[in-house]
Amino acid sequence: RKEVEQDPGPFNVPEGATVAFNCTYSNSASQSFFWYRQDCRKEPKLLMSVYSSGNEDGRFTAQLNRASQYISLLIRDSKLSDSATYLCVVNMRVRSGNTPLVFGKGTRLSVIA
Amino acid sequence: DGGITQSPKYLFRKEGQNVTLSCEQNLNHDAMYWYRQDPGQGLRLIYYSQIVNDFQKGDIAEGYSVSREKKESFPLTVTSAQKNPTAFYLCASRGQGYTEAFFGQGTRLTVV
Repeated sequence: RKEVEQDPGPFNVPEGATVAFNCTYSNSASQSFFWYRQDCRKEPKLLMSVYSSGNEDGRFTAQLNRASQYISLLIRDSKLSDSATYLCVVNMRVRSGNTPLVFGKGTRLSVIA
Repeated sequence: DGGITQSPKYLFRKEGQNVTLSCEQNLNHDAMYWYRQDPGQGLRLIYYSQIVNDFQKGDIAEGYSVSREKKESFPLTVTSAQKNPTAFYLCASRGQGYTEAFFGQGTRLTVV
């Protein structure tokens, strides 16, 4: 089983739609979770951290289910500018410090006018 | 402004040559990382360093080397032993705790 798995997509949705991305992770010791956004031929940028209680930032909502080892990202009222690849990222804490972040392969979103 | 800088943005290498990619950060971060990304693929970890003068191999370290002589700098050398080096290389850094990573703008390496 891969450490972080995502549906690669692409997800093609019309403007204004609501779209949800899911991600599963294999290591139950994972401690921190993030969603990154990557535009074509650019570096990944942090979209939002994911907290156990769930968190919201404008049109974006992230949820974490530790029991099921599952993370989600919901985008409401999609905009053309939301078109990008969304990367699910997890990190495991070990005695010697943080491990490197482990990235999923990403889910590609295309928002269509 | 604080940030992480990679250079050059584009790099062309002849087969059999070693090349070094630069990564500098002024965020005062202890940890630094090198990732490789191939078209349509995710990020794969090459090397990482949690502290000055120490580094560990990632998942695909063969054909690469690094050094960490200064906190701010983590250069990556792509050696002639790396058989398929054409890729997008990303450097990142992180602070203490469960913090997010910040990325440089990347170096696109092409073998000619």
